[in-house]
Amino acid sequence: DAKTTQPPSMDCAEGRAANLPCNHSTISGNEYVYWYRQIHSQGPQYIIHGLKNNETNEMASLIITEDRKSSTLILPHATLRDTAVYYCIVTGGGNKLTFGTGTQLKVEL
Amino acid sequence: DSGVTQTPKHLITATGQRVTLRCSPRSGDLSVYWYQQSLDQGLQFLIQYYNGEERAKGNILERFSAQQFPDLHSELNLSSLELGDSALYFCASSVSEGAFYGYTFGSGTRLTVV
Repeated sequence: DAKTTQPPSMDCAEGRAANLPCNHSTISGNEYVYWYRQIHSQGPQYIIHGLKNNETNEMASLIITEDRKSSTLILPHATLRDTAVYYCIVTGGGNKLTFGTGTQLKVEL
Repeated sequence: DSGVTQTPKHLITATGQRVTLRCSPRSGDLSVYWYQQSLDQGLQFLIQYYNGEERAKGNILERFSAQQFPDLHSELNLSSLELGDSALYFCASSVSEGAFYGYTFGSGTRLTVV
């Protein structure tokens, strides 16, 4: 699975969009980009995933660059409940997900 | 409620003891994954089972073992416990053998070894 690089922490004002970047320059053609989040000491929660097209669901949007070497998770209107560690994972859908250190997003009033 | 049930939620035990953590996957899911999360290690993959068979092994110690039963629930056995085994243990399940359709995680078991 390709390695990912995320900033260790980010802050966002409540009600504003939170844009979380992820670099995955070694991604290969059959690998997907997955985003999970973990609210303090809870089990990680699936957010969204994509291959090369932008994706949107009720939680977030995923923007993948044309060369697929980076992506951005967008929470359109962040709330205090979105404070969590966000993990970007690249995998070919093999047997396991490997979690890195993620980005600690802090949403503030 | 994610649909993945882990019991117990909390467990306190002494060094040298043995414990069993239990996980019931979401209905219809065939794969079960175990992860360990300690303060200084992040989420570490331990082991995966698919329909009763071991499919992948990660950084699982020899003192730890797991199995998946015919009803698809899984148990993680931890023996000769050490202080460093204190951690959150998460179970996740998925419908397929791989990660493609995403994992659903349980709320975890917090193990404290004293």
